[in-house]
Amino acid sequence: QSALTQPASVSGSPGQSITISCTGTSSDVGGYNYVSWYQQHPGKAPKLMIYDVSNRPSGVSNRFSGSKSGNTASLTISGLQAEDEADYYCSSYTSSSTYVVFGGGTKLTVL
Amino acid sequence: EVQLVESGGGLVQPGGSLRLSCAASGFTVSSNYMSWVRQAPGKGLEWVSVIYSGGSTYYADSVKGRFTISRDNSKNTLYLQMNSLRAEDTAVYYCARQGSSWPKYYFDYWGQGTLVTVSS
Repeated sequence: QSALTQPASVSGSPGQSITISCTGTSSDVGGYNYVSWYQQHPGKAPKLMIYDVSNRPSGVSNRFSGSKSGNTASLTISGLQAEDEADYYCSSYTSSSTYVVFGGGTKLTVL
Repeated sequence: EVQLVESGGGLVQPGGSLRLSCAASGFTVSSNYMSWVRQAPGKGLEWVSVIYSGGSTYYADSVKGRFTISRDNSKNTLYLQMNSLRAEDTAVYYCARQGSSWPKYYFDYWGQGTLVTVSS
């Protein structure tokens, strides 16, 4: 069982917006602004999409945005495109001995 | 261009050992925080170990005492020595560079991964 809780799947049509949630505790998501999000296509390495809750690395589309409220972080993808179909993982620093924890992943299907 | 290329994976029997390598280019390994992250088949990501630029190392509880992270500055290469391997260590192992924004709790570049299979 993963330390952070994500929905197993979400879906949306091209052009729509979707939001993926990532729920933790006050020891990780809620206690620190160190949440990151990764996109992983099948058979590929993860790709950083968001870091420190809401910062977007250079080269990542501004259709991707991140936010946090309490113990839950969110990744929003606007203007869905076919190439957005992938698995998405959240991650957070944790004050436990684990250092960094990941969510179980969310499969995004673009209908 | 930043590149990370892992090697050393393969099939090993339970209780055996394996050493993974991650050759870096486009940046200096010793000046960065570097981690190993693994992904069991069909499962999510799991952080395994980190080595700080100053040399401090940390491990997930699941591998503590069995795995050792290290680097060779002359070869600009990261390593993961894995001993006393168990079936549950079966996974694709990724090396990843941690980002530059302090305190660096994210991974901005990843290798392509190397598969470790522990089975008799």
